[in-house]
Amino acid sequence: GDSVTQMEGPVTLSEEAFLTINCTYTATGYPSLFWYVQYPGEGLQLLLKATKADDKGSNKGFEATYRKETTSFHLEKGSVQVSDSAVYFCALRDGETSGSRLTFGEGTQLTVNP
Amino acid sequence: EPEVTQTPSHQVTQMGQEVILRCVPISNHLYFYWYRQILGQKVEFLVSFYNNEISEKSEIFDDQFSVERPDGSNFTLKIRSTKLEDSAMYFCASRTQNTEAFFGQGTRLTVV
Repeated sequence: GDSVTQMEGPVTLSEEAFLTINCTYTATGYPSLFWYVQYPGEGLQLLLKATKADDKGSNKGFEATYRKETTSFHLEKGSVQVSDSAVYFCALRDGETSGSRLTFGEGTQLTVNP
Repeated sequence: EPEVTQTPSHQVTQMGQEVILRCVPISNHLYFYWYRQILGQKVEFLVSFYNNEISEKSEIFDDQFSVERPDGSNFTLKIRSTKLEDSAMYFCASRTQNTEAFFGQGTRLTVV
C-alpha cells in the first residue's frame, strides 16, 4: 500500500539557517504530494503541494519538488524564522488506488531558536 | 477566514464508555473526513463521508466507530465502547470538489 517516510526528528535550528526535511514515498499510482504544517494549538494547514513529476510547490519561502525518479518530496527553506517552529507533515493522495484519503508521514518537529 | 471547528478540545473518558466527537465543517464543503494520530505515531485516515454516506473507510474504522451528519452543519464521530488504545488526537477535515482538505485543530481523547 501507499506510505510516506519522513526524516527522523526533532530538528533544531538557529534563525536564518537552511532547512531541509526529507520525505520519500511509496505509491502504486501517480500521487499528488503535500506538505502540511501544524503550529502549536492549531490544526493541520496545507503549506504547499505538487500534483505531478517535476512540479515545484512553494509557499511562505518553503519549496518542495516532486521527484519521481527518487520518489521524494523534500521540504526546503533558505532562511528559517522563529515563527516557523511547528510540526511538518509530508502526505500523499493516490486517487487511483485510495480515493481522496491522505496518507501521512510521521511528522517532523521543527524548533527555531533566536 | 472560514475554518473547521472541533469540540471539545480535550475529552477524558472511562474505558467502555461511549464518546461523540463533534466537528463543524466549512459551510459550503461537501466531503468530510476523520483522521487520528496516536501519540508518537502517524496521522491515520479513518473515514470519508460524502452525500450522506461513507465513501471510504480504513481497517481501523470497525464496528465500534460510526459517523453521522445529523443536521446541515455538524459532522460527528462516535466511538461506542472506548478502549485504552483509542486514546489519540482526532482530526476532522472538509473540502469542496476543487480544494484540498481543511483540518480542524483536533480533539485529544484520553481513555482511562
